[in-house]
Order: sequence, then structure tokens, then C-alpha cells
Amino acid sequence: GNSVTQMEGPVTLSEEAFLTINCTYTATGYPSLFWYVQYPGEGLQLLLKATKADDKGSNKGFEATYRKETTSFHLEKGSVQVSDSAVYFCALPSTSGTYKYIFGTGTRLKVLA
Amino acid sequence: GAVVSQHPSWVICKSGTSVKIECRSLDFQATTMFWYRQFPKQSLMLMATSNEGSKATYEQGVEKDKFLINHASLTLSTLTVTSAHPEDSSFYICSAEGANVLTFGAGSRLTVL
Repeated sequence: GNSVTQMEGPVTLSEEAFLTINCTYTATGYPSLFWYVQYPGEGLQLLLKATKADDKGSNKGFEATYRKETTSFHLEKGSVQVSDSAVYFCALPSTSGTYKYIFGTGTRLKVLA
Repeated sequence: GAVVSQHPSWVICKSGTSVKIECRSLDFQATTMFWYRQFPKQSLMLMATSNEGSKATYEQGVEKDKFLINHASLTLSTLTVTSAHPEDSSFYICSAEGANVLTFGAGSRLTVL
């Protein structure tokens, strides 16, 4: 089945620093790819997604490009804020066409003022 | 947008008792709901897939008699932790699929004393 590998955290950055969180996947075909964010004490929220190769998902200043050549979907943000402190999860469907998602282990981001 | 409500958001119970957690889709019908368990080091484990009107499909290693899942209507799925023990203490999160969107609840923190 499909799988996803995510860089381990925690990641600690100063405000306005550049963020990259790596995510690579193994999949049959080209499934949609997702980044979810979990703020302290809350559930998961969809941050962005890409539905096909070379697509770029973006939201709230975050971006991720679906790269089939490197089977990657790295999350980036040019200038992080304290409010971005959260846990970020990379995800994809366990098999194509389903909502049964497989999540990475999550990367905790802490942004210092 | 789609909203999924989980209740209770936190619960404390004594060892040996049973606890029920509800997951409701508030403004859409959810033919499929998913239950996840999040461990202290943040990884998400899919426990089961719940389909309205049929038995839940449990992931390997999840005790179906321990974690009873019912999906009696298109807007409600419940997870009952039976004869709870301290090792069942965790953060349980549901998600619901509807209108081609997967939406997560805010989670329910269970503490078993």
C-alpha cells in the first residue's frame, strides 16, 4: 500500500525564518497529497493539498509542490510566525480513490518571537 | 464549510468503566467516518473505518470488542471504549467524508484513572 515518510522534529525557528518540512511518499499511481496542521489541543485541519503531479498547493503562506520525480511533497513557508507553531502532518490515501488516509509521524514546529 | 463535532472534548473515567465518544457531521451527510488514535508522541493511528448502516472495518491490531464503533445514521458515529484501562488513555480523533471532502473533529482526550 501507499506510505509516507516525514522528517522528524521538533523544528525550532525564529520568527520570519524560512521553513521546510520534508515529506516523501511511496504510492501506486499518483494519489492526491495533503498537509494537515494540528494546533495545540485541537484536531487536524487541512492546510493544503495537491491532486496531481506538478501541482502546487498553497494556503496561509505555506506551499508544497507535488514532485513525482523525487516522490516528494515538501512543505515550505518563507517567513514563519509564532502563530504557526503546531504539528504538521503529511498524508495521502492508503489506496487511490479513498478517504482512508495514511499520515506521517508529524513534525512539531515551534516558532520563537 | 463542513464541520465535524466531537463530544466530549475531554473525559476522565475510572478503570473498568465504559466511555462513549460521539462524532457528528453538522452540515453534511457522512457515508464514511474514520476513527484515529493519537499517541503521546503525536503519531496518528487509524483504528477503524465506519460506514453508515454496516459494521465497522477495523485495522489490524485494533480490538473490535474493546473499541466498539457504531454508525447508525449519516451524521453520527460513536466510539465506545469498553472496560477502559489506563493504557487506553489517549487522544481520539474522528473524521468524516462527505461531498468529496474529509473533515476532522477537534478530538476527544480520554484519561482513565
